Amino acid sequence: DIQLTQSPSFLSASVGDRVTISCRASQGIDSYLAWYQQKPGKAPKLLIYAASTLQSGVPSRFSGSGSGTEFTLTISSLQPEDFATYYCQQLNSYSYTFGQGTKLEIK
Amino acid sequence: QVQLQESGPGLVKPSGTLSLTCAVSGGSVSSDNWWTWVRQPPGKGLEWIGEISHSGSTNYKPSLKSRVTISVDKSKNQFSLELSSVTAADTAVYYCARFTGGNNGFDIWGQGTMVTVSS
Repeated sequence: DIQLTQSPSFLSASVGDRVTISCRASQGIDSYLAWYQQKPGKAPKLLIYAASTLQSGVPSRFSGSGSGTEFTLTISSLQPEDFATYYCQQLNSYSYTFGQGTKLEIK
Repeated sequence: QVQLQESGPGLVKPSGTLSLTCAVSGGSVSSDNWWTWVRQPPGKGLEWIGEISHSGSTNYKPSLKSRVTISVDKSKNQFSLELSSVTAADTAVYYCARFTGGNNGFDIWGQGTMVTVSS
């Protein structure tokens, strides 16, 4: 299986901050990467697919970049509703693995 | 718009079989998508279990393959998950989701159902 390593695992930030979350793949996955947001007790929500394409209805403060083995999710100006856990997922090959998650907390 | 809803027993005995169903509304399970199952143990991350296409083709996580069966029932517009020989390690929230293929991500999710394996 392709392994995905997210960094950091925990992130403390304030409303209005710009934050970046990284996702590294153990082998090249082209642009077959998605990002999800998950709030406690809720299902994950698709934010970004194809590494950089914003899912319909997702605010433009979210953006994704990267290809191959290095990817980033950026939130340009944190809003209160953005505090959640974020996961990357590779869709290049089975078993469609997820990263371990990054918990974004209020400072 | 398409919505997914999981259902099934919340408690399964060790060595038993976990059986869940995902009802598809606002769309058809016969549409050109992959219908997937993902689980999340309490306090942990997400794990892809497997998927089924509209035509019945399946793919499973290798470490679970010997215990997993995913099927589709077009007459009821739903798809199902069976996981046999369960242990406490299978305790998790189980989600169904839609995958439109390629690098599109899992765009629609059910709300999830908690399954506990305990005697």
